[in-house]
Amino acid sequence: GENVEQHPSTLSVQEGDSAVIKCTYSDSASNYFPWYKQELGKRPQLIIDIRSNVGEKKDQRIAVTLNKTAKHFSLHITETQPEDSAVYFCAASSGGSNYKLTFGKGTLLTVNP
Amino acid sequence: GAVVSQHPSRVICKSGTSVKIECRSLDFQATTMFWYRQFPKQSLMLMATSNEGSKATYEQGVEKDKFLINHASLTLSTLTVTSAHPEDSSFYICSARVQSSYNEQFFGPGTRLTVL
Repeated sequence: GENVEQHPSTLSVQEGDSAVIKCTYSDSASNYFPWYKQELGKRPQLIIDIRSNVGEKKDQRIAVTLNKTAKHFSLHITETQPEDSAVYFCAASSGGSNYKLTFGKGTLLTVNP
Repeated sequence: GAVVSQHPSRVICKSGTSVKIECRSLDFQATTMFWYRQFPKQSLMLMATSNEGSKATYEQGVEKDKFLINHASLTLSTLTVTSAHPEDSSFYICSARVQSSYNEQFFGPGTRLTVL
């Protein structure tokens, strides 16, 4: 089955700096890669996703890049703000098995004012 | 759109009792719903995939007789934790796949289960 590795497990940045979180996946059939933000005790919220026919996608301060050959994808947050502090999860889906998602272990991002 | 609700949000029960958790898609039909368990400071672990009108598909290591899943309609799936024990204490989260989309999943707010 699919295996998703996520790094780093914790990331601390100063407000205004950029943050980058990286994930690798093992199943070459995976074609959908969402990123979720989860605040303590709350539900994961989809913040951006990318499909395998696209190499990069941007939404305001958030961008995701995908390298299918190397089987890795990354989340980039620019001009970080304290409210960006949360746990971020990457995930991958191959479309089979009812489109189930395999999650990375998460990155705790702390943005220091 | 794509709102998923979950009930109850928090439940405390005695060891040996059963607890039912409901997951509803409020503004869309979900042919597929997923149940996850999340322990503190850990990732979401998929327990089972629930399809409307058919038996759930359980992930390896998840006891289907302990975690009963019913998906009776396109907007409701339930998870029943039978004979709960303290080690079942966790955050249970459901998600629903939007039928018309590629494969986006939207999550419910989660249920915090504490078994005494």
